Amino acid sequence: SQQGEEDPQALSIQEGENATMNCSYKTSINNLQWYRQNSGRGLVHLILIRSNEREKHSGRLRVTLDTSKKSSSLLITASRAADTASYFCATDGGSGGSNYKLTFGKGTLLTVNP
Amino acid sequence: ETGVTQSPTHLIKTRGQQVTLRCSSQSGHNTVSWYQQALGQGPQFIFQYYREEENGRGNFPPRFSGLQFPNYSSELNVNALELDDSALYLCASSLTSPGGTQYFGPGTRLTVL
Repeated sequence: SQQGEEDPQALSIQEGENATMNCSYKTSINNLQWYRQNSGRGLVHLILIRSNEREKHSGRLRVTLDTSKKSSSLLITASRAADTASYFCATDGGSGGSNYKLTFGKGTLLTVNP
Repeated sequence: ETGVTQSPTHLIKTRGQQVTLRCSSQSGHNTVSWYQQALGQGPQFIFQYYREEENGRGNFPPRFSGLQFPNYSSELNVNALELDDSALYLCASSLTSPGGTQYFGPGTRLTVL
């Protein structure tokens, strides 16, 4: 079963605009990660945020985590056509000690129009 | 340093057959995880191997089995293939520390007819 739910399911923006994607999850976690997937290929790791962190930056990416609301957001600033991809949040840890596996949501399909 | 590689890239099988998928982990990583991704869905955890032992398993039947070799490469075997097994199979390698980043290979696209 899916742990996380990304919102929106699909997002279409113009190059240069910012894109915000949200992720909600159900159980407590140790870490939350964001991955990108291009056209049904392998997943590329973007950023990891630990449960005791609230915000993290990496280049044009900004991730926030609110454990009280069990939610996270991924902001991509100054988007480019090459950012077109599906974006997934994945969680690990929490109750049951499932540190070994990642639980993914269904993803947000981002389209950046040139 | 080489990344995670998987073979083959694509595979077509018929219902009832058996299939073996292969994965080479990233240099220095001793843990391998396998995921199944159906079309339009997020990846689902199948199982993980650490030092040649199964370290955890998701909600998949016993006909999904795996191996990890001393060089940390891994195989995923699926017996008695069903149509619903058609999916992208992803392998990910990581260091042993819990909650670490998992690095994914390009995947094997399996089609069951």
